[in-house]
Amino acid sequence: GAGVSQSPRYKVAKRGQDVALRCDPISGHVSLFWYQQALGQGPEFLTYFQNEAQLDKSGLPSDRFFAERPEGSVSTLKIQRTQQEDSAVYLCASSPGGGTALYEQYFGPGTRLTVT
Amino acid sequence: AQSVSQHNHHVILSEAASLELGCNYSYGGTVNLFWYVQYPGQHLQLLLKYFSGDPLVKGIKGFEAEFIKSKFSFNLRKPSVQWSDTAEYFCAVNQNSGYSTLTFGKGTMLLVSP
Repeated sequence: GAGVSQSPRYKVAKRGQDVALRCDPISGHVSLFWYQQALGQGPEFLTYFQNEAQLDKSGLPSDRFFAERPEGSVSTLKIQRTQQEDSAVYLCASSPGGGTALYEQYFGPGTRLTVT
Repeated sequence: AQSVSQHNHHVILSEAASLELGCNYSYGGTVNLFWYVQYPGQHLQLLLKYFSGDPLVKGIKGFEAEFIKSKFSFNLRKPSVQWSDTAEYFCAVNQNSGYSTLTFGKGTMLLVSP
């Protein structure tokens, strides 16, 4: 079956622009995660949704970052007034449900954001 | 806050050599442990996981990892690597108590020369 897809795969933004990154999780997966991966680092947690509810947004680095999943499927991560330090790969992951299955995450290919 | 340390950023091996990648974590409570792998041009994918039970865990492609609680370690091993094992390997941990976020290490890039 189809895996997690993300679009765009690459995004170049000028400093100060707003960007929107899309994630299509695996069909039926109730849990969805966003991570930020800077160059040479591991993924760092940003936010977590269970269906349409955003249960944890503790990893969002500033109020310029906003995520939504209005119908419990597709999710969008929005970054307002982008800064150079926002340059990173943004990864989306989904998992089938709760308990330990929550952590068996399926990752998308990521969106590489470059802020110039 | 928990943290994950991967000791080597880059490892170069010849085919058929044995592999051991180190992973240590800082959290003192009960944990879930994972190794993820990212092959060139591909997505991150789960290699193996430990939740409880036998501390020696077997994953895909001949990989295994051993959880040693006293050492806070979850090292990844493979007796004989292949060129196709060239990839970046990430260790991850989370607290085994309700919901908690995954914390990843910085990754180890493994290059296997034919």
